[in-house]
Amino acid sequence: SQQGEEDPQALSIQEGENATMNCSYKTSINNLQWYRQNSGRGLVHLILIRSNEREKHSGRLRVTLDTSKKSSSLLITASRAADTASYFCATDPLFNDYKLSFGAGTTVTVRA
Amino acid sequence: EAQVTQNPRYLITVTGKKLTVTCSQNMNHEYMSWYRQDPGLGLRQIYYSMNVEVTDKGDVPEGYKVSRKEKRNFPLILESPSPNQTSLYFCASTGQGANEQFFGPGTRLTVL
Repeated sequence: SQQGEEDPQALSIQEGENATMNCSYKTSINNLQWYRQNSGRGLVHLILIRSNEREKHSGRLRVTLDTSKKSSSLLITASRAADTASYFCATDPLFNDYKLSFGAGTTVTVRA
Repeated sequence: EAQVTQNPRYLITVTGKKLTVTCSQNMNHEYMSWYRQDPGLGLRQIYYSMNVEVTDKGDVPEGYKVSRKEKRNFPLILESPSPNQTSLYFCASTGQGANEQFFGPGTRLTVL
């Protein structure tokens, strides 16, 4: 079953702008991860945030996690054309780190 | 180079003709998994394996089989493919104690 749901489904921004996407999930988790997928290729891991963390940074990426609201957000700052991709959140339930559930993804288009 | 490989990358077949999609990883990972990706549905887990000879069903296992006789290989078997199994398939692996999953490049399967 799909645990995570991303919002919005699609996002179009100008190069240099920030992109924000959200993920909501249903049951308690160990960790939440974000992945990027370029045009039908394999997914690439971006960042992981643990359930006891509230915010994490990696380069131009900032992830927040609110376990009380069962939601997370991914912010990409100063976007580039190369950031054009689909972004997925993935959660793993308590007691099973390896059983990831993915959302349907947010498709981000960065216009030059 | 650390990687997950899948073969074939593209396959067109007919209903009922048994097929196998191979997956191999060279990172000595214990955990491997198969997903299918369909438009609007994100990735759904088919089967996963915690180690050699240990496999378990994911969210959509019907119509699929897997085996894990060696640590590096995790083939996906469709005994009698049907058109509703037309999809993009991904294999992924991760090491014990880790969470980040490494994905293969994908196999696009069309069942006529």
